[in-house]
Parts: sequence; C-alpha cells; structure tokens
Amino acid sequence: GQQLNQSPQSMFIQEGEDVSMNCTSSSIFNTWLWYKQDPGEGPVLLIALYKAGELTSNGRLTAQFGITRKDSFLNISASIPSDVGIYFCAGLVLNTDKLIFGTGTRLQVFP
Amino acid sequence: DAGVTQSPTHLIKTRGQQVTLRCSPKSGHDTVSWYQQALGQGPQFIFQYYEEEERQRGNFPDRFSGHQFPNYSSELNVNALLLGDSALYLCASSSRTSGLSTDTQYFGPGTRLTVL
Repeated sequence: GQQLNQSPQSMFIQEGEDVSMNCTSSSIFNTWLWYKQDPGEGPVLLIALYKAGELTSNGRLTAQFGITRKDSFLNISASIPSDVGIYFCAGLVLNTDKLIFGTGTRLQVFP
Repeated sequence: DAGVTQSPTHLIKTRGQQVTLRCSPKSGHDTVSWYQQALGQGPQFIFQYYEEEERQRGNFPDRFSGHQFPNYSSELNVNALLLGDSALYLCASSSRTSGLSTDTQYFGPGTRLTVL
C-alpha cells in the first residue's frame, strides 16, 4: 500500500540533543499530522498542520507544513528519555478522511 | 472517560479461518476507522464507518469487511485468513459532527493478529 517517505529510519541520540525528522510525498496533502507510537500502544497525535507554510509547536515539538504541500518536518528540542518511540507522519487525502502514514522514524535516547 | 477500546488484545488463527475484531469508540465519537499495521510499517487504512455504513475504503480485498452498530461500536471481519494478514489492527474513532474529522482521530491499543 501507499506510504509516505520518512527519514531518517532510525536515530540514536543523547539526552538533551535536538532531533529533526522529515516526511515527503509525491502527492499533495491539505493536512499533515505527526503521531508517536509506543510499544504495544496505538499512535498518539502530537501535532496537526492545516496550511502550507504553517509552523506549529506543542511544547518541545515543532512541526512545519511544507510550502509545496508535499512535505513536512518535525523537530524535538532538548530530548528526554520519554521521547523514545516511533514517530509517524501522516497526510490526509484530499476530500476524504483517509490517512496515509509514513514509514516511521524510530528514536532512541541515551542518558 | 474511556478512550478507544479494542478486543481481543491478541489472537492466533490458522490459515483459512475467519476472525472478528471489535472496537468501542471514545465517548462522543460517531466515526470509526480501521487500519492494518504490519511489523515495522506505518498503519494502512482499511475502511471507515459512519452512520452504520462504509464510507471510504483503502486498497484491501473483499475478504476484509466491517460493520458499525447503532451505539457506534464497530467490528472488523477478515475471511479466509492468509499468513500475510498477520499484523496489528488499529481502530481509530473521531467525531464527524463538525465536518472532516480525521485531525482528531484517537487510536486504540490495537489487536495483534497472528496467522499460522
């Protein structure tokens, strides 16, 4: 099935470092979403973006909706151990409620 | 306020069998979407139910079917199971009363299906 291209695939960082990950698509989306998934859990919504160029923050998380509407990035500042998990981007298919997810970025944070 | 609940948590079936997974949406939500998440992959949209009807469908065969009940809970049925159907099946609920609702989809913990 269709999936968005997400990079990097995995990251190993030290506590306190900043993290950046991005997501690209060959299709245009009108909404970009970022989720975090912990083992044994369903994805939890972190940030939702609705307009091209929009920059939105949620605590230490900042995400941007690319101008072309084909990409988005997520930054995490001053990482902490509880940031460990898999981060997924998702795009909302135009005029539907159908979400297309990225391939995921696995984040490991070392103390 | 209970969130999205799914049952069972884990399930083991053999090829050719049929399975039914269940989902109760978050209180106040009327729309249920189902996703399949294979190991190491992102979730793949299967279909969405609203007002007891299938409203949208992803690229899944007819072996995958569903139902929504008047209380908004939902079932996912998979017939003639294949080894490749082994995955985490996620249910997400949302409210459609204010138009497109996907930005506020809440996911359940999922049902882990293993097909032997």
